Amino acid sequence: DQQVKQNSPSLSVQEGRISILNCDYTNSMFDYFLWYKKYPAEGPTFLISISSIKDKNEDGRFTVFLNKSAKHLSLHIVPSQPGDSAVYFCAARGGSNYKLTFGKGTLLTVNP
Amino acid sequence: DVKVTQSSRYLVKRTGEKVFLECVQDMDHENMFWYRQDPGLGLRLIYFSYDVKMKEKGDIPEGYSVSREKKERFSLILESASTNQTSMYLCASKGQGIPGANVLTFGAGSRLTVL
Repeated sequence: DQQVKQNSPSLSVQEGRISILNCDYTNSMFDYFLWYKKYPAEGPTFLISISSIKDKNEDGRFTVFLNKSAKHLSLHIVPSQPGDSAVYFCAARGGSNYKLTFGKGTLLTVNP
Repeated sequence: DVKVTQSSRYLVKRTGEKVFLECVQDMDHENMFWYRQDPGLGLRLIYFSYDVKMKEKGDIPEGYSVSREKKERFSLILESASTNQTSMYLCASKGQGIPGANVLTFGAGSRLTVL
């Protein structure tokens, strides 16, 4: 039972345009959401997060939107840069304070 | 910055061998985790530990065990390696009661190939 779903395995955008990565979840107990970025042969690095009591969080070029009624969150990257090309994982925390549940990831390719 | 160090970046082992993957963090974090990453499957939690000598099973603990004798060190053990354990293994740590306490900090990963 996949509780965090990233339905797009890959996404390709042009440099300078907006990248939108989507994530759906099924567990209404999730109260905190995070996005991680992963380059090949490296560990994931934290990008941005949002609490379930908010609907938007912004950090520079990165904005995360949360729609609790739809159990959906999205990561917007504006403008996209070639260095943003990586796998992006959505993660959610719920119930246990220790455990994050990850989606399968979306490979973003930003073309120059 | 928190640093999580995985001692081996690349390992090649034979079926049936006992394998140790070591992870050390330098920020006095209480919580440590072992994930594996496989194409199309994302990150799956194997085991985690919330204190020294404490451990809990994650989503896919079968074929693995862990050891946490010291706060800074968390070891993943494959008692008898099998080919389906070929994967990228990621260690992570997380503090408590601090800003960003939900954020896992990952090591660079250990790519294990079992022949």
